[in-house]
Amino acid sequence: NAGVTQTPKFQVLKTGQSMTLQCAQDMNHEYMSWYRQDPGMGLRLIHYSVGAGITDQGEVPNGYNVSRSTTEDFPLRLLSAAPSQTSVYFCASGRRGLMAGELFFGEGSRLTVL
Amino acid sequence: TQLLEQSPQFLSIQEGENLTVYCNSSSVFSSLQWYRQEPGEGPVLLVTVVTGGEVKKLKRLTFQFGDARKDSSLHITAAQPGDTGLYLCAGARQAGTALIFGKGTTLSVSS
Repeated sequence: NAGVTQTPKFQVLKTGQSMTLQCAQDMNHEYMSWYRQDPGMGLRLIHYSVGAGITDQGEVPNGYNVSRSTTEDFPLRLLSAAPSQTSVYFCASGRRGLMAGELFFGEGSRLTVL
Repeated sequence: TQLLEQSPQFLSIQEGENLTVYCNSSSVFSSLQWYRQEPGEGPVLLVTVVTGGEVKKLKRLTFQFGDARKDSSLHITAAQPGDTGLYLCAGARQAGTALIFGKGTTLSVSS
């Protein structure tokens, strides 16, 4: 079972470059989200989506764009990378409704911006 | 402002000891979850609590949701080295809304 798949697992960028982190899930989950994890900061929500065509900002959305054209995919775009965006990024998906808080995570994408 | 405050941030104990990790907020949550994360992997759900006062047990782990649905605790009995990891609490203010995480508690259990 694939679950939530993130690519790439590792990426090094130079300041100002753009890139897209890919996330795909095969569980037919309506809810998808992106978090970043930094030492001592826990997981901070970047953007989330409750269904195809619907996205919303989380706690730290600046510098990131998302789109949700299909139920399965939720890419995260960095338009102009900055060293402050060096982090581990996690994509997560879940069902809506009463138990919407149960998330299934990918293995993470480690991004370094020089 | 951190919506969910976890304590302690770090915990280093010997095998066989008991421990409790706390997750507190001034806000009411429709549900709270506890996740465990190992290095290089994504968090994995341990339990979800949805009813004020609810207690759930998972082998040596006991989870409690406060009566007012503003706080939760995780108690581990007779900790083992395999319990080592980052424990994260997470809450949804309303069902169907985004999940917010605490900063986590790093647990180290030595034999």
